[in-house]
Order: sequence, then C-alpha cells, then structure tokens
Amino acid sequence: GQNIDQPTEMTATEGAIVQINCTYQTSGFNGLFWYQQHAGEAPTFLSYNVLDGLEEKGRFSSFLSRSKGYSYLLLKELQMKDSASYLCAVLDSNYQLIWGAGTKLIIKP
Amino acid sequence: DTAVSQTPKYLVTQMGNDKSIKCEQNLGHDTMYWYKQDSKKFLKIMFSYNNKELIINETVPNRFSPKSPDKAHLNLHINSLELGDSAVYFCASSQAGTSGNEVTGELFFGEGSRLTVL
Repeated sequence: GQNIDQPTEMTATEGAIVQINCTYQTSGFNGLFWYQQHAGEAPTFLSYNVLDGLEEKGRFSSFLSRSKGYSYLLLKELQMKDSASYLCAVLDSNYQLIWGAGTKLIIKP
Repeated sequence: DTAVSQTPKYLVTQMGNDKSIKCEQNLGHDTMYWYKQDSKKFLKIMFSYNNKELIINETVPNRFSPKSPDKAHLNLHINSLELGDSAVYFCASSQAGTSGNEVTGELFFGEGSRLTVL
C-alpha cells in the first residue's frame, strides 16, 4: 500500500527553527509537495521537490532524498502566524497525489 | 477574484437528504478535483476530472456523483446522506492532468464546504 508518515504535532518557540519530517512509500514518484493549512482554511502550496537536495524559499526550505523516501520542511525565524498544519503529499506514478495526515505546528511566544 | 470558489461554505442537513456542492474555477485549468477531509485531517481524493472527463474515481459510494458541465465547473451531488459523510469537502484545480502532462506543482483549493449530517 501507499503510505505517507509525518508527526502528528510539534511545538516550537517564536523566533526559533523547526524541522518537520515526512517519509513516504508510494508506487512511483513524480514529486513531493508541502502545503500549509491554517485551521478552517484551504491548504496553500509551499513547495515542490522532484530532485534530491534542498530548495530554499525565504524562511521556508524543503529537502528531498528519493533513495531514502524522505523529505523535511524547515521553517526558520518562526512567527506566530506559522501556527498551522503542514501537509506532505507525494505524486505517484499515476500522477495521483497521496496525502499525509499533516503535522500540527504550535508556536509559543 | 476568487480563483476556485465553492458553494455553500456550510451545509447542515438531515440523514437521507440529497445535497449538492458547486465548484467553479477561473484559472483556465484543465483538471479539477474533489477531496474529502475528515476529522482525522486526511485529505482523500474522491474524483478527478480532466477536460470534463473522469480520470480518477476512488472507491467512494455511488451515492456521490460528480458532474462537470464544462472544464471550469465540477459539482458534487450526494444522495441519501449518511452521518459518516460529515466532513469538509474541498474542490481544487491544477494545470497538470493525470495523463503524464508536465507537472506545474500546484493545486489551487477552494475554501472548502463543511457538511454536517444530523
């Protein structure tokens, strides 16, 4: 079966750095996405990785290792508005998105 | 202008009723989707349409019937609603299809429709 694993919840302090991990087992791989979802709102796109390595976009970076079936989302200089759920999703060989359950990130002052 | 809009945003109804949720996108995308997000927060694909044709039809009950009158619209009709249908339903669109087209990397979601079945 296809599986995406990520921690259910994480807590971090404002101004700090947090890394949210995601491991996956899917039938084929055509890229990995990270989405941010604030409570009661729709998911919004953060990043897309298809090649190994680190993609940096402002305070957010996303890393991919295809051989390990592993990705992480790195958030720097945390702000209170970063409190949200972070969803990892993999595009499989049929170009279907397989979603993780999301990691709820709580930011404390 | 809202890129992907769905109505209604909230829907409360009794078991056994029939209801519809409408979705429209003005992005010119070829592919539209319906997702269900349950209380465990998993996003599960229900249907995917590419240029008005059904591409993905996951194992959802046949009480759920999508209808795509044109590529900018994908409506979801649900018959004989059950308690377990209570969830948030998200419509989404993308430029990439499921036929091997180049992946642009982004799904655009509607705001979601929270369905509560009593």
